[in-house]
Amino acid sequence: GEDVEQSLFLSVREGDSSVINCTYTDSSSTYLYWYKQEPGAGLQLLTYIFSNMDMKQDQRLTVLLNKKDKHLSLRIADTQTGDSAIYFCAESVVASGGSYIPTFGRGTSLIVHP
Amino acid sequence: EAGVAQSPRYKIIEKRQSVAFWCNPISGHATLYWYQQILGQGPKLLIQFQNNGVVDDSQLPKDRFSAERLKGVDSTLKIQPAKLEDSAVYLCASSLEGRAISGANVLTFGAGSRLTVL
Repeated sequence: GEDVEQSLFLSVREGDSSVINCTYTDSSSTYLYWYKQEPGAGLQLLTYIFSNMDMKQDQRLTVLLNKKDKHLSLRIADTQTGDSAIYFCAESVVASGGSYIPTFGRGTSLIVHP
Repeated sequence: EAGVAQSPRYKIIEKRQSVAFWCNPISGHATLYWYQQILGQGPKLLIQFQNNGVVDDSQLPKDRFSAERLKGVDSTLKIQPAKLEDSAVYLCASSLEGRAISGANVLTFGAGSRLTVL
């Protein structure tokens, strides 16, 4: 099965909060990331959290990490139409030799409607 | 700073033909990645280079895919012969340091090369 799992779709009204959830499997992940992909573009880093943290806030973005349950969430406050995109959760697992191997989920399509 | 450059942006070929994609990472980035993103799925790592050495290529279909990073800068990904299931976007990414020394491993992605195999 997938190492990183996300729900596929989320639809919200403009101005509401969006919460995108992710579960991962590897407890040795040191960092967890959220990337955003707009149509026809590559992935762009939004934010990341170190695994010994529970929460990180960055302007409209709040990341919550429950390491015990291996659950990560991204909350977007005051969601705007420009936030419509696919959001990917990713983990970095340290492989033998000390290198990071980034693994991505399937992505959650966020649709923001007026 | 300039981003990760990829070419071509689009390529249409028939099955059994060959294709090559080129990537120029951000200057100074030691680690380079090639990902395959099939429609509706997340990016799947094909190969990871540290400078000009291969770190991980366990998911690269080596019977048809090959990649190189000569001189530790630009990279090419080749598919020969192509199959229908190779239709995907091929994303190149780079990071400053892919090793677990300190800090997060932030990847910068190119816009991708979209391959359609008919």
